[in-house]
Amino acid sequence: EAGVTQFPSHSVIEKGQTVTLRCDPISGHDNLYWYRRVMGKEIKFLLHFVKESKQDESGMPNNRFLAERTGGTYSTLKVQPAELEDSGVYFCASSQVAGGPSDTQYFGPGTRLTVL
Amino acid sequence: AQSVTQLGSHVSVSEGALVLLRCNYSSSVPPYLFWYVQYPNQGLQLLLKYTTGATLVKGINGFEAEFKKSETSFHLTKPSAHMSDAAEYFCAVTLLYTGTASKLTFGTGTRLQVTL
Repeated sequence: EAGVTQFPSHSVIEKGQTVTLRCDPISGHDNLYWYRRVMGKEIKFLLHFVKESKQDESGMPNNRFLAERTGGTYSTLKVQPAELEDSGVYFCASSQVAGGPSDTQYFGPGTRLTVL
Repeated sequence: AQSVTQLGSHVSVSEGALVLLRCNYSSSVPPYLFWYVQYPNQGLQLLLKYTTGATLVKGINGFEAEFKKSETSFHLTKPSAHMSDAAEYFCAVTLLYTGTASKLTFGTGTRLQVTL
């Protein structure tokens, strides 16, 4: 069974440009999460989808970030326009069960975003 | 609000020596606790988790962790380090909300170096 995949693995863009990150969760996982790690700091929650609906987007930094999950399968995270402080590693995770002892989030390899 | 503290951003041990990575948490309710590992150029992999029941939890690759409520700790140990254990380790706690899902709150990570 394929794990969580993310594309691209690396992205280098100029300040003010737009970047779209993609996440493909494990097949059958309704729950999809985005996290971000800014260099040297902790991994922080951005948002959570249940199927195509946003369950919680309290961690989204500002309105330059737009996450979508059309059809409840893969998800995209768009940053427009990108700023220097957006640099970091963006992780996607998915889980079959949301909440409770059986809730385990499986992570992708991350997308390393560098904004120059 | 819940938080996680990992003492020591870098830990170095000799091959064959005991590995001890420290994690303390703060939580107003009984937490679910996790250890994830990130090997170079890979995603986060679940090592082990504590939800309820036995406080000593065994994970993959010979790692284990003990939940100590009185000390609010969940330290990760391995009796004998191997070169392949070199990686970054993250302690995390769930942040429950609305009773339907969970989002992870991470510590800042501990990079483990194993020397000959």
